[in-house]
Amino acid sequence: AQKVTQAQTEISVVEKEDVTLDCVYETRDTTYYLFWYKQPPSGELVFLIRRNSFDEQNEISGRYSWNFQKSTSSFNFTITASQVVDSAVYFCALSGFNTGGFKTIFGAGTRLFVKA
Amino acid sequence: DVKVTQSSRYLVKRTGEKVFLECVQDMDHENMFWYRQDPGLGLRLIYFSYDVKMKEKGDIPEGYSVSREKKERFSLILESASTSQTSMYLCASSLLGGTSGSYEQYFGPGTRLTVT
Repeated sequence: AQKVTQAQTEISVVEKEDVTLDCVYETRDTTYYLFWYKQPPSGELVFLIRRNSFDEQNEISGRYSWNFQKSTSSFNFTITASQVVDSAVYFCALSGFNTGGFKTIFGAGTRLFVKA
Repeated sequence: DVKVTQSSRYLVKRTGEKVFLECVQDMDHENMFWYRQDPGLGLRLIYFSYDVKMKEKGDIPEGYSVSREKKERFSLILESASTSQTSMYLCASSLLGGTSGSYEQYFGPGTRLTVT
């Protein structure tokens, strides 16, 4: 089965705290893509990152970093020194040949509240 | 920048009306998608299209149809709107992808449809 699990429904932090959003996936594919998207209160989903399954290097972009561990089927997202503008719903997603080729499976999302 | 536009941000229709939701992308993407997003249910795929005049059912196609006459435009049609179709509708597009799956999706701002 192809599945993406974001066990954290909501997380609340105070500004400047670090926060990690968890993502665990299941797939039969040997090669696949993993993604993170952000949906701010305005509603428009914004693509953040794509990771190919054969590339396990961690990635850092400013305050954002992603930790991909194939051995545990996890693709976690860390925001360092969180800011109020980071408040949003974050979705982890999976695409692979067995998800139907063109389809993407989204997790249920994690709502992050960052308080000033 | 990829731009995906949707014809309306907010729409109010009456039960039984035929409703057209239009989506246009300007990046020559092969894939286009329609999702609905409801609280607690996440993103659910209604239909997608990987080429002009091609369409595939998603997870919840009942009560909907689609049309893709031009590469840049993907329309969602509610043949006879019902109150259960009150929702946020999101359009997205992406490049075709390969054997690792579909590439990242770029989303429009969404249309919040209310059926009374």
